[in-house]
Amino acid sequence: GPKVLQIPSHQIIDMGQMVTLNCDPVSNHLYFYWYKQILGQQMEFLVNFYNGKVMEKSKLFKDQFSVERPDGSYFTLKIQPTALEDSAVYFCASSLALRDWDTLYFGAGTRLSVL
Amino acid sequence: GEQVEQLPSILRVQEGSSASINCSYEDSASNYFPWYKQEPGENPKLIIDIRSNMERKQIQELIVLLDKKAKRFSLHITDTQPGDSAMYFCAASGGFASALTFGSGTKVIPCLP
Repeated sequence: GPKVLQIPSHQIIDMGQMVTLNCDPVSNHLYFYWYKQILGQQMEFLVNFYNGKVMEKSKLFKDQFSVERPDGSYFTLKIQPTALEDSAVYFCASSLALRDWDTLYFGAGTRLSVL
Repeated sequence: GEQVEQLPSILRVQEGSSASINCSYEDSASNYFPWYKQEPGENPKLIIDIRSNMERKQIQELIVLLDKKAKRFSLHITDTQPGDSAMYFCAASGGFASALTFGSGTKVIPCLP
């Protein structure tokens, strides 16, 4: 079936450094999402993105976070600078349309460890 | 915004028995309730869902029930098998226009009778 690919699967960085998490969404999808999952807890919505713009963001989407998808390439989440509390698994998701739950697919996640 | 409560956090169930996970939500406007299964290191996968115009849905050994009045929904795994070992998350649409609000998860652990 359709797959959302996330690269890398695990990233370890020092606090204060910049990190970029990459997501390759399902090819014909138009809406892109990031969720954050702290170990043992539920996934929490961070942001969604459509047509080059952030549509909605939660309070977890701090000023240090940014998203973009330049020229239809990877959909990225950048954190600059990173903090210890950013350690989590970040899941990318994509869908064909807004609230089109039948086409919402999640990637396998990138585990970010901030030391 | 939407809040979703999920219980229990850990569920040990004998193989061949039924496992039940319960969720409640707050936003009466929520109209879509999916269940995801997540195995270690894997992406969450949709296993069954129910919309607000239904009260019950079954796919093979999975049954979901929705009580809109009580704002509760539940997943029942009949005849639990070793392959059902995973984290299960309920979710509800609501809060943000295009995002899901997830419960805190239930770890299902099948054990020998």
